[in-house]
Amino acid sequence: DIQMTQSPSSLSASIGDRVTITCRASHTIGGYLHWYQQRPGKAPNLLIYAASNLQSGVPSRFSGSGSGTEFTLTISSLQADDVAIYYCQQSHSPPRTFGQGTRVEIK
Amino acid sequence: QVQLVQSGAEVKKPGASVKVSCKASGYTFTNYFIHWVRQAPGQGLEWMGVINPSGGSTTYAQKFQGRVSVTRDTSTTTVHMELNSLTSEDTAVYYCARDHIVSNSYGLDVWGQGTTVTVSS
Repeated sequence: DIQMTQSPSSLSASIGDRVTITCRASHTIGGYLHWYQQRPGKAPNLLIYAASNLQSGVPSRFSGSGSGTEFTLTISSLQADDVAIYYCQQSHSPPRTFGQGTRVEIK
Repeated sequence: QVQLVQSGAEVKKPGASVKVSCKASGYTFTNYFIHWVRQAPGQGLEWMGVINPSGGSTTYAQKFQGRVSVTRDTSTTTVHMELNSLTSEDTAVYYCARDHIVSNSYGLDVWGQGTTVTVSS
């Protein structure tokens, strides 16, 4: 199975800060990497697909990059509405494993 | 509008089985895989398996092989996930989510609202 490792596990930043989350795959996965946001008590929501493509309706402050084994999710200017847990997921091969999540809070 | 609507919460005893349904609407049912993902209390997301509604073929995570069964009913555009031999470790919120059949590059773009399954004696 492909293991997905996110860092950091949690972070606290101020409104307006630039925030970066990293996701590393144990094997190369090309660009088959997606990012999700999960607010408390809600279902996950797709933010970025295929490493760098912004899902329709998602604010442009979110962006993704990377390929192979290392990927990043960036929030260019953190907003209060961004408090959530963020997960990466690979779709290169089954099982479609997720990272362990990164909790984002406001300082 | 495109949506996946799941069945209601369940409380089961250890050793029992649970069947969770996921009704799709607003799109062509056979154009999207349906995945099942679960989340134990305070934990992360865990992928369980997937079904191709077009032919009914399935793939399951090794962890659940032999204990999970995902089926579909094309007449009602509904997917069912049955999990057997429940233990307290299966207490979780279970989600269904869709994924385009054409390519695995698009991610899980629509999710059900989640179904809470509680296993308790």
